[in-house]
Amino acid sequence: GESVGLHLPTLSVQEGDNSIINCAYSNSASDYFIWYKQESGKGPQFIIDIRSNMDKRQGQRVTVLLNKTVKHLSLQIAATQPGDSAVYFCAEDGGYQKVTFGTGTKLQVIP
Amino acid sequence: DAGVIQSPRHEVTEMGQEVTLRCKPISGHNSLFWYRQTMMRGLELLIYFNNNVPIDDSGMPEDRFSAKMPNASFSTLKIQPSEPRDSAVYFCASSLVGPTDTQYFGPGTRLTVL
Repeated sequence: GESVGLHLPTLSVQEGDNSIINCAYSNSASDYFIWYKQESGKGPQFIIDIRSNMDKRQGQRVTVLLNKTVKHLSLQIAATQPGDSAVYFCAEDGGYQKVTFGTGTKLQVIP
Repeated sequence: DAGVIQSPRHEVTEMGQEVTLRCKPISGHNSLFWYRQTMMRGLELLIYFNNNVPIDDSGMPEDRFSAKMPNASFSTLKIQPSEPRDSAVYFCASSLVGPTDTQYFGPGTRLTVL
């Protein structure tokens, strides 16, 4: 289940620091957004989602922020841990019950 | 629950051969998805079933690809004949109702076509 690697943007973060992963979307009609985490050799795993009627949603150590004005989505991970190392995908539902995945960002946690 | 189960985990075959990938969705889930992941194109939706019926197959590359879901607990993705450009990781996912519900992914099948 390894995804792209050589062509992915990479974010390197020191263990314990906060991570911010960004995603730009293009469809202004999208009303549902999801963040997935994909560890090496595994399939994507749901982390958190947000609907367009919200600006912010918090989970355990993760927060998703949605800025519809500039069509931007971010995932914040607090106190990043080595187990957070993975590729993170944002996905959007642009209507017609179809979810489109972004290309992903690789997060590397430095112990 | 065991989650989404896919088999085989790895498949190496020669160009021209038929390849069949298998998926067992999570019990009680009504939607099933087949995705392909490559370095160049990322994660692409190939086909989506709801209640065993194909709803959206616009992502299926060409006639060499076919997918079936004979019952609620089993689906296959077949490539015949296979080509080297089909080499990728193929994921199956399922969700309770539809695409905008949380999708649970299987571990994937890594396909290599020589």
